[in-house]
Amino acid sequence: ETGVTQTPRHLVMGMTNKKSLKCEQHLGHNAMYWYKQSAKKPLELMFVYNFKEQTENNSVPSRFSPECPNSSHLFLHLHTLQPEDSALYLCASSQDGSGVYEQYFGPGTRLTVT
Amino acid sequence: GQNIDQPTEMTATEGAIVQINCTYQTSGFNGLFWYQQHAGEAPTFLSYNVLDGLEEKGRFSSFLSRSKGYSYLLLKELQMKDSASYLCAVCDSNYQLLWGAGTKLIIKP
Repeated sequence: ETGVTQTPRHLVMGMTNKKSLKCEQHLGHNAMYWYKQSAKKPLELMFVYNFKEQTENNSVPSRFSPECPNSSHLFLHLHTLQPEDSALYLCASSQDGSGVYEQYFGPGTRLTVT
Repeated sequence: GQNIDQPTEMTATEGAIVQINCTYQTSGFNGLFWYQQHAGEAPTFLSYNVLDGLEEKGRFSSFLSRSKGYSYLLLKELQMKDSASYLCAVCDSNYQLLWGAGTKLIIKP
């Protein structure tokens, strides 16, 4: 089983849809992250969960709603998205949320909002 | 404000050496990371520097100067598979990771 998995890999949704992205890590890590990656822009950190507690929310619009039921699973619930939300959404995990440990990334979900 | 600067794109020749620079201005410093990201794939960890100096890992080396707010990634004996984006990220005093926009490296035969 690969370290960090994400499903689905590709998602097309209309602005009125509700969908969820799923991430699972098999590395025994205690921190998990959601990032947004748009072309030619730095990775944008969206949310951080450390030991299942949300420790970071970088002014993300409420149409993105994270959920972390345990240290191995992370979800991103999406509703009433905008076309500018189209991007690659990456999940990552690390030993803890201190920022000094390398992060292991999943393959990402390519999201297109129509 | 805080910022991480890297060149947008670089081109190099197979077999040659290339140096990718990263300069940063952050509130405090708790280490600098380099990641490699092939097109359509996830970033993968290359190196972590927290003390000044050069760290070598096979064909890849990473250098840090904290006083200058500067790092570089040195790639030797370039191979076609090294064509990728290289991301610089700095851990600041709040232990937040700040990312550069990445340098796209194109390797030509």
